[in-house]
Amino acid sequence: AQKVTQAQTEISVVEKEDVTLDCVYETRDTTYYLFWYKQPPSGELVFLIRRNSFDEQNEISGRYSWNFQKSTSSFNFTITASQVVDSAVYFCALSAGAGNNRKLIWGLGTSLAVNP
Amino acid sequence: NAGVTQTPKFRVLKTGQSMTLLCAQDMNHEYMYWYRQDPGMGLRLIHYSVGEGTTAKGEVPDGYNVSRLKKQNFLLGLESAAPSQTSVYFCASGQGLSYTFGSGTRLTVV
Repeated sequence: AQKVTQAQTEISVVEKEDVTLDCVYETRDTTYYLFWYKQPPSGELVFLIRRNSFDEQNEISGRYSWNFQKSTSSFNFTITASQVVDSAVYFCALSAGAGNNRKLIWGLGTSLAVNP
Repeated sequence: NAGVTQTPKFRVLKTGQSMTLLCAQDMNHEYMYWYRQDPGMGLRLIHYSVGEGTTAKGEVPDGYNVSRLKKQNFLLGLESAAPSQTSVYFCASGQGLSYTFGSGTRLTVV
């Protein structure tokens, strides 16, 4: 079975705090891809990152960083020095399966509120 | 470069009415998807298409039909709307591992 779990339903922080959003996935496939999307209050889905199962290097993009650990099946997302504009729902997703069976499997999302 | 365009953006239906949601993409993507998003449920796949003329059921297909007569368009139909279909609907197109989402359609069934 393929599954994505985002255990944190809601997180509230004060601006400038660091915050980590957890993502744990399940798949039997050896080749798979992990994604993070942001959904701001305006409702659109904004792509943040894609990572394949063969690349465990951590990635940093400005204030955003991602930690991929196959040993714990986790792909966590950290926002450093959070800002009010980071307030959104963040989704982790898994793409697994071969050919026409490949689909995106979504976690339930983590709602992040960054307060001034 | 519009990407993925969904129409309409908002709609209110009465129970039992029918309607069609249109998704159009201009990126020549083979794959297209319809999702619904409900509070606390994340995104759930309704139907998808792996190419022109093909459709397949996703996780929650009941009450919906789809058609992909042209590669660039993926239509989602509700034949007899029910209050349980009140949701935000997202269309996406994909090529390889690149997915592009529309801005969503907020549908309310009263």
